[in-house]
Amino acid sequence: DADVTQTPRNRITKTGKRIMLECSQTKGHDRMYWYRQDPGLGLRLIYYSFDVKDINKGEISDGYSVSRQAQAKFSLSLESAIPNQTALYFCATRDRGQETQYFGPGTRLLVL
Amino acid sequence: AQSVTQLGSHVSVSEGALVLLRCNYSSSVPPYLFWYVQYPNQGLQLLLKYTSAATLVKGINGFEAEFKKSETSFHLTKPSAHMSDAAEYFCAAGSQGNLIFGKGTKLSVKP
Repeated sequence: DADVTQTPRNRITKTGKRIMLECSQTKGHDRMYWYRQDPGLGLRLIYYSFDVKDINKGEISDGYSVSRQAQAKFSLSLESAIPNQTALYFCATRDRGQETQYFGPGTRLLVL
Repeated sequence: AQSVTQLGSHVSVSEGALVLLRCNYSSSVPPYLFWYVQYPNQGLQLLLKYTSAATLVKGINGFEAEFKKSETSFHLTKPSAHMSDAAEYFCAAGSQGNLIFGKGTKLSVKP
């Protein structure tokens, strides 16, 4: 079984709709991250969380919000989706004291 | 602020040829450095990482990378490319617990 899972894997939605992407992990890590990947731009950090009560904005947080429901769960919400939020979204986890991040399989989002 | 530059958004090699993917970082303090690989329709998989223990780092699938402080580089190499190496490769630097990614290099392998 995968250590970091993301649901859904693919999603098509319409402009203005609210959408939530979910991430769960069984690695026992306390740090969790949300990135988006766009062709030619690499991965850019949206939000990160060092524990349940610690949420931080990343490079491109506008238009997004997050919720850390438990140590193992970190959700990303688009309150009112717009077409330029069409991208591949990745969740990642990291253990305290370690530098390596472990990535989920990604969610491909299309906003029409 | 830390930044990572990958030279060449696309690299094409023949099967059996040397693979060289370039990565430079900007920092006066050597950070943690990583190479990740993304196969089509998959997530990112760690290839190797530099954590100051050794300047030549060996990773999975025959890849290795050499940290050169004087050149602020961490280039990825593989002596002989396989068709299965076709993927996108990302260099990343660890900074204050977060990762800064390069824009990626797509590797194509010709038969």
